[in-house]
Amino acid sequence: GAVVSQHPSRVICKSGTSVKIECRSLDFQATTMFWYRQFPKKSLMLMATSNEGSKATYEQGVEKDKFLINHASLTLSTLTVTSAHPEDSSFYICSARLPLWGEQYFGPGTRLTVT
Amino acid sequence: KNEVEQSPQNLTAQEGEFITINCSYSVGISALHWLQQHPGGGIVSLFMLSSGKKKHGRLIATINIQEKHSSLHITASHPRDSAVYICAAPSNFGNEKLTFGTGTRLTIIP
Repeated sequence: GAVVSQHPSRVICKSGTSVKIECRSLDFQATTMFWYRQFPKKSLMLMATSNEGSKATYEQGVEKDKFLINHASLTLSTLTVTSAHPEDSSFYICSARLPLWGEQYFGPGTRLTVT
Repeated sequence: KNEVEQSPQNLTAQEGEFITINCSYSVGISALHWLQQHPGGGIVSLFMLSSGKKKHGRLIATINIQEKHSSLHITASHPRDSAVYICAAPSNFGNEKLTFGTGTRLTIIP
């Protein structure tokens, strides 16, 4: 199946700093990528939908100025957590969708810890 | 918005047992996803199905569109199958945003 990678897999940062997470579709072009957040023992929650070449669409309650999303190419979307705080510590997962309403493939996730 | 429910929430079984995990949803959909999440957190897409049945190795997924119900079966279960299994359905028909079930934590004992 299609492969989606995320980098880094784990990151620890200090409060107030910014962290960038990359999501890449390795063997297909994805016009749409999704960013999810998962709290311990909870379901994935959609944060935003990222469309190549246009602004991301954020879900209600997600601060777009705090979680900056850039989808500059058909194989790369980035999520930047700005001015991170301990409550931003979480597991962040991206997915990339095959064109024409195809299947979504998920990245391995990035565990962010803000100290 | 689609309500996606899974059962059971937790399942422990002996190696070799036949496993069934159920998923029901409230809004008609175009396709349903089954995902596997290992303890490290990484998610693997197992199936996307819109009708009938799909099989991959020891995994079988079925869906009944009329009853809004899907099942994931594992034959000859093995300890390495231990993971959280999640079903996900579009929030509305034709919508690409997914609503996720709360997951079924499966533990296979050797």
